[in-house]
Amino acid sequence: EVQLVESGGVLIKPGGSLRLSCAASGFTFSNAWMSWVRQAPGKGLEWVGRIKSETDGGTTDYAAPVNGRFTVSRDDSKNTLYLQMNSLKTEDTAVYYCTTGQRTMVRGILGLKHYYYYMDVWGKGTTVTVSS
Amino acid sequence: DIQMTQSPSTLSASVGDRVSITCRASQSISSWLAWYQQKPGEAPELLIYKASSLESGVPSRFSGSGSGTEFTLTISSLQPDDFATYYCQQYNSYPYTFGQGTKLETK
Repeated sequence: EVQLVESGGVLIKPGGSLRLSCAASGFTFSNAWMSWVRQAPGKGLEWVGRIKSETDGGTTDYAAPVNGRFTVSRDDSKNTLYLQMNSLKTEDTAVYYCTTGQRTMVRGILGLKHYYYYMDVWGKGTTVTVSS
Repeated sequence: DIQMTQSPSTLSASVGDRVSITCRASQSISSWLAWYQQKPGEAPELLIYKASSLESGVPSRFSGSGSGTEFTLTISSLQPDDFATYYCQQYNSYPYTFGQGTKLETK
């Protein structure tokens, strides 16, 4: 069974740093692209960032509100995804979900590969509260 | 960034009704659209990917359609378990963006 279990959520003061973890099992983690999605209290879903597999370059992309403050990383030897959160703000208060998904490769006109990746498995989430 | 707009924000319906939710993208996303269902206190669950492909294990009363900028999620005959909030999400380009959500409530 594919499973994602997040941990590390706490109450923390503005300006602080925090690292979330996501333990993965039931699939080949090293081949997977992984994402973080968050949901502020009573609000909708917001994509935070994604990391590709190492074989696909291990590169990351981020949403603008967290770019430069948050870092997504992975340890394939531990089947674990991380979200390092620095310079936390009150608006970062949310449930943070770890997700994995499937990707479709399409070749463009010049033969370049483009991947379209959707999120099909979600963890139960971990709560981060940023408050003084 | 691509903006995703869902309508309506709230939908009141009864068991057995056929309901539809619309999602519009601010620019073409081809068919790179997913639909999720979320119940209170739970993580979202994938219903539909690539605009119209039904995720394994999802009941066939759920269907998706559309391409380009306009998409629809349809539930053919509402069941009690379907009262929840639904989100569309584009995965055509980064940053991925979600619609604001549609809450499906009991009439």
